[in-house]
Amino acid sequence: EPEVTQTPSHQVTQMGQEVILRCVPISNHLYFYWYRQILGQKVEFLVSFYNNEISEKSEIFDDQFSVERPDGSNFTLKIRSTKLEDSAMYFCASSSDRGPYGYTFGSGTRLTVV
Amino acid sequence: QKEVEQDPGPLSVPEGAIVSLNCTYSNSAFQYFMWYRQYSRKGPELLMYTYSSGNKEDGRFTAQVDKSSKYISLFIRDSQPSDSATYLCAMRNTGNQFYFGTGTSLTVIP
Repeated sequence: EPEVTQTPSHQVTQMGQEVILRCVPISNHLYFYWYRQILGQKVEFLVSFYNNEISEKSEIFDDQFSVERPDGSNFTLKIRSTKLEDSAMYFCASSSDRGPYGYTFGSGTRLTVV
Repeated sequence: QKEVEQDPGPLSVPEGAIVSLNCTYSNSAFQYFMWYRQYSRKGPELLMYTYSSGNKEDGRFTAQVDKSSKYISLFIRDSQPSDSATYLCAMRNTGNQFYFGTGTSLTVIP
């Protein structure tokens, strides 16, 4: 079964450093998303991406965050200057259309900011 | 008021029990309702989905939506130890983003 692959599975970074989280969505999917889950809290929407541009973003997704699809297979989330409160599990998801049911989530990257 | 409320549990039941998981929501614009299952250190996995009000059954799982009460439920019949996981409700209107509940941790004891 097709999977969304995320790397690394765990990333430790120092406060103030830039970090890039990587995702390989399912190959024929066109819509891409990032969500995060702070330990013990809800899964929260960050951003959706379609046709090489952001289609929707939440209040969490401020100027410190950016997304990119640098080639035909990868989808990245960059955090420019990490803060302690950025520590969370970050999930990438993809879907083949705008329908709400077709999301496939990756296994996540655990980001720890120290 | 939070968009989606879900009792975090934890919920512990004996094998074979019927499990009832619930969420309430405040946004009447939500039209799509989903239940995800999340195992430890894994991403959410879609379990069931419904559109608008009504029931949907898939094997041992039944999802119910009552839009008038802004209440959704997931029932698991004949629960198995392999059902032990965190169950997340999620909702969406016509936009892109899902709104998740906090998740209910379920343990099915053999």
